[in-house]
Amino acid sequence: NAGVTQTPKFRVLKTGQSMTLLCAQDMNHEYMYWYRQDPGMGLRLIHYSVGEGTTAKGEVPDGYNVSRLKKQNFLLGLESAAPSQTSVYFCASSSGHIRSTDTQYFGPGTRLTVL
Amino acid sequence: RKEVEQDPGPFNVPEGATVAFNCTYSNSASQSFFWYRQDCRKEPKLLMSVYSSGNEDGRFTAQLNRASQYISLLIRDSKLSDSATYLCVVRNTGFQKLVFGTGTRLLVSP
Repeated sequence: NAGVTQTPKFRVLKTGQSMTLLCAQDMNHEYMYWYRQDPGMGLRLIHYSVGEGTTAKGEVPDGYNVSRLKKQNFLLGLESAAPSQTSVYFCASSSGHIRSTDTQYFGPGTRLTVL
Repeated sequence: RKEVEQDPGPFNVPEGATVAFNCTYSNSASQSFFWYRQDCRKEPKLLMSVYSSGNEDGRFTAQLNRASQYISLLIRDSKLSDSATYLCVVRNTGFQKLVFGTGTRLLVSP
């Protein structure tokens, strides 16, 4: 079991370029999430998905789009990168069961720099 | 006001010391509580869930006080390997979304 994987691990973009971050999970989880983490801000939810073919906005969705065409994959797209999107991006997944102990498992992160 | 607040630290302690972190949350509808650990430049990993009656996992003890809306984490006999940032996390009723604190940094020295 690889758990949650993310590609790429690092990326440098110029302002205005586009890119897609890929998240994959092999735990058959229903729910998947994209976060960004910035110093002093903690983890902030960008978008999430409660199942294949569904997506929803999180706390900071502007400038990002997502797709969940397959249950195991969740893609995060930046159409026109801005320096403010320099951050570490984490993907996570959870089973979606309504149990108090159900929690999220994170991928290793993608470090993105926008020049 | 942030929904989940933590003292950012750092807490500098010697090996073998006992250290405690507190976290407060503002949403009285918060249902589930967790402590995550995050090592430098790594992903957050679940350390332990926090139960209403309090719970212990080896050297780690978590407590929940719903009336005062705070959560605590106690680490006994600190090890060098405990050096990390500890994230307080809550989940609100009916949602699968988690709300993360900004973390408390712990440095354990020899």
